[in-house]
Amino acid sequence: GNSVTQMEGPVTLSEEAFLTINCTYTATGYPSLFWYVQYPGEGLQLLLKATKADDKGSNKGFEATYRKETTSFHLEKGSVQVSDSAVYFCALRGYNQGGKLIFGQGTELSVKP
Amino acid sequence: DAGITQSPRHKVTETGTPVTLRCHQTENHRYMYWYRQDPGHGLRLIHYSYGVKDTDKGEVSDGYSVSRSKTEDFLLTLESATSSQTSVYFCAISDSSGGSYNEQFFGPGTRLTVL
Repeated sequence: GNSVTQMEGPVTLSEEAFLTINCTYTATGYPSLFWYVQYPGEGLQLLLKATKADDKGSNKGFEATYRKETTSFHLEKGSVQVSDSAVYFCALRGYNQGGKLIFGQGTELSVKP
Repeated sequence: DAGITQSPRHKVTETGTPVTLRCHQTENHRYMYWYRQDPGHGLRLIHYSYGVKDTDKGEVSDGYSVSRSKTEDFLLTLESATSSQTSVYFCAISDSSGGSYNEQFFGPGTRLTVL
């Protein structure tokens, strides 16, 4: 079945450091891929998405490229801020799966000043 | 922000008691979902609905039932709560356009503790 694997956290970075959170997936067909962010005490918010191979999703300085050859959708940001501290979830929506999302386990990011 | 509310926001109950969580939306979206969030597991789908009175099971449906009698409300019921159902529960909504599913919007969550 479809699945998503993320790098384990927590990840601790200093402000202005470069961020990469790895995400790989297993799926049949052509899934859509997402990154969601969860700030403390809140629900999830969509950060970015990509719906086909080689698409790049971007938002708020974050980027991720849908790589079908490596089945990956790694999240990157060139310079993190303290306000980026949150839990990040990679997710996929399988082809013909009724809109359902499958999530990775989440990666906690802590950015120190 | 999408108009999604969940109630209650926090609940403590005892093993064996019934519990109902409510998700209410004001967006008139067709699809509604219940997830649970547990450390090390991310979010896992419990049940979902693709219309009034149309529901289906997700990945972790055992011990849960749902009902949707009107577009705006999606109820999750634990018939007899167990300690393994201690979790944070999230409701989500989405719609579709042009044959494609749109993004899911999430509610603020309900923290349930079963003693």
